[in-house]
Amino acid sequence: NAGVMQNPRHLVRRRGQEARLRCSPMKGHSHVYWYRQLPEEGLKFMVYLQKENIIDESGMPKERFSAEFPKEGPSILRIQQVVRGDSAAYFCASSRPGNSPLHFGNGTRLTVT
Amino acid sequence: KQEVTQIPAALSVPEGENLVLNCSFTDSAIYNLQWFRQDPGKGLTSLLLIQSSQREQTSGRLNASLDKSSGRSTLYIAASQPGDSATYLCAVRPGRDSQGGSEKLVFGKGTKLTVNP
Repeated sequence: NAGVMQNPRHLVRRRGQEARLRCSPMKGHSHVYWYRQLPEEGLKFMVYLQKENIIDESGMPKERFSAEFPKEGPSILRIQQVVRGDSAAYFCASSRPGNSPLHFGNGTRLTVT
Repeated sequence: KQEVTQIPAALSVPEGENLVLNCSFTDSAIYNLQWFRQDPGKGLTSLLLIQSSQREQTSGRLNASLDKSSGRSTLYIAASQPGDSATYLCAVRPGRDSQGGSEKLVFGKGTKLTVNP
């Protein structure tokens, strides 16, 4: 049973470009979460999705950031017109419904030059 | 607003020592508390999850306790090994009364553990 799969592992973008981060949840998991970890900071919640629905996006910046979890395929976190401050590790997690543990992927490390 | 604090920020011990990592949270209304391990450049590995109705969970050399009323959890590592070196993260899932039935976890900044051979 494969774990949460994220790709790419590392992503370098120039300022103004778009970044697309992908996440495939564990088999049988219908809930997906995105977290961001800035250097020397804890993980901060960004968005929580179920299939085709955004449930809670309270942690996501209002501009340039968007997330989706389509009926088929991975969840995508999209950052438009990246800036240096977007450089961070972005982690995806998945879980079953209910009071279940979250399982995290290995993250995508985004560097904006 | 739920806040999670982990003390100490870093800890260095000799191999074989038993140790305790501390986690405190400001709002006792939680669904569960989860301990994770994070290796450099890697993702998070779930170690233990304690439901709000539980007092402790054990897995091998690890034991996590939860005192919800005082807003505290500890992670006890017995007979530490160099392979235990990592950052340990504590995270709580706020309960319905504190942050609107949140599914999101609130993390501490972690304790960086180094076990010296």
